[in-house]
Amino acid sequence: GAGVSQSPSNKVTEKGKDVELRCDPISGHTALYWYRQSLGQGLEFLIYFQGNSAPDKSGLPSDRFSAERTGGSVSTLTIQRTQQEDSAVYLCASSLIHAGASGQGVNEKLFFGSGTQLSVL
Amino acid sequence: ELKVEQNPLFLSMQEGKNYTIYCNYSTTSDRLYWYRQDPGKSLESLFVLLSNGAVKQEGRLMASLDTKARLSTLHITAAVHDLSATYFCAVVPPRGNEKLTFGTGTRLTIIP
Repeated sequence: GAGVSQSPSNKVTEKGKDVELRCDPISGHTALYWYRQSLGQGLEFLIYFQGNSAPDKSGLPSDRFSAERTGGSVSTLTIQRTQQEDSAVYLCASSLIHAGASGQGVNEKLFFGSGTQLSVL
Repeated sequence: ELKVEQNPLFLSMQEGKNYTIYCNYSTTSDRLYWYRQDPGKSLESLFVLLSNGAVKQEGRLMASLDTKARLSTLHITAAVHDLSATYFCAVVPPRGNEKLTFGTGTRLTIIP
């Protein structure tokens, strides 16, 4: 697609329910990120997928949060037993990692989706 | 743990004036990114700075990177209203981890 697509754009749920947020990255992008942004705040890293490597889950705030990336493309972020403090905008981004001068992977830039606004009542 | 701080957090400035936003980070990195976010919108990439001393310019915005000082600046020249937005810097830690850590953001308001 032309850009990173996220769905739904808005999700209102009741406390205790599970939610699934979807991210469709730019075709061919090997890296996929999930960030969370609370109202008026910066971006909080959640999880990062790169190719076939094990994901970096170091930002997931609790075991209620999990994410998958199937076939190296679409990703789903799942929040179980939602709490009010989970309310935020969940942003997905993708990028193309290429080999730098030292052979190390270099991220040119992240392309962000428009986000999912999650409201837990 | 990599920490990224921006200052100021809030900035109101008049059209036509110049100002600088600062981004400091806590550990070694040789790559830094600047993003812009309009209210209610997602993030848009502005600059990628890939080495010490890198300088990039686009219109009224100019970004620079000093890896020795662990400092990047975003300079605004002769501000215009449509530059009003929140600006974020982001840093990648060394040695192959491409996890970007974002700064707190600077909310810039240009007053006519």
